Amino acid sequence: AQTVTQSQPEMSVQEAETVTLSCTYDTSESDYYLFWYKQPPSRQMILVIRQEAYKQQNATENRFSVNFQKAAKSFSLKISDSQLGDAAMYFCAYRSPDDSWGKLQFGAGTQVVVTP
Amino acid sequence: GAVVSQHPSRVICKSGTSVKIECRSLDFQATTMFWYRQFPKQSLMLMATSNEGSKATYEQGVEKDKFLINHASLTLSTLTVTSAHPEDSSFYICSATRTYEAFFGQGTRLTVV
Repeated sequence: AQTVTQSQPEMSVQEAETVTLSCTYDTSESDYYLFWYKQPPSRQMILVIRQEAYKQQNATENRFSVNFQKAAKSFSLKISDSQLGDAAMYFCAYRSPDDSWGKLQFGAGTQVVVTP
Repeated sequence: GAVVSQHPSRVICKSGTSVKIECRSLDFQATTMFWYRQFPKQSLMLMATSNEGSKATYEQGVEKDKFLINHASLTLSTLTVTSAHPEDSSFYICSATRTYEAFFGQGTRLTVV
């Protein structure tokens, strides 16, 4: 079974600064999907960014970008120009290509605190 | 984008009673939906996979008779917490997948008193 590890329970960043969240995973599969989800205080889960393992290019979405290191099984999220609205719990998630249902395996989460 | 609606957002019930939570995919058909449970400041724990027209698949350790799942249509799955006890108090979230993306309901905070 795949496992997803987020080793940072909490990260603090000042407004306009950059913060990087780490995520590692364990899998024997060669093709899979990785996601970062944001859960603000409202607790609504919001997709931040997605990466397909077969793509070498790192995904980017505006101020959010990932550093995908397939050999190292690492998938970090960088938040640039941090804003107060970025304060939330961030979850890294793994999806197997063999799972046609779309089941996700989540990491423990990292709480991002943004200070003015 | 696709929308998944979950209802109610909050519910308080007395110990021993049953509570039903609905999860609807509003603009797409979802043959499969997932039910998660989340404790404060913790991750989402998958409880079960709900399949339209068939029995749900429960994760190890989840009581099938306590958490009844019904997926009667392509847009609706329900989770019924039967004979609720205070330890069932938690945040429950559903999700449905379209193509490669999972869409989540707003969640339901259940408090059993």
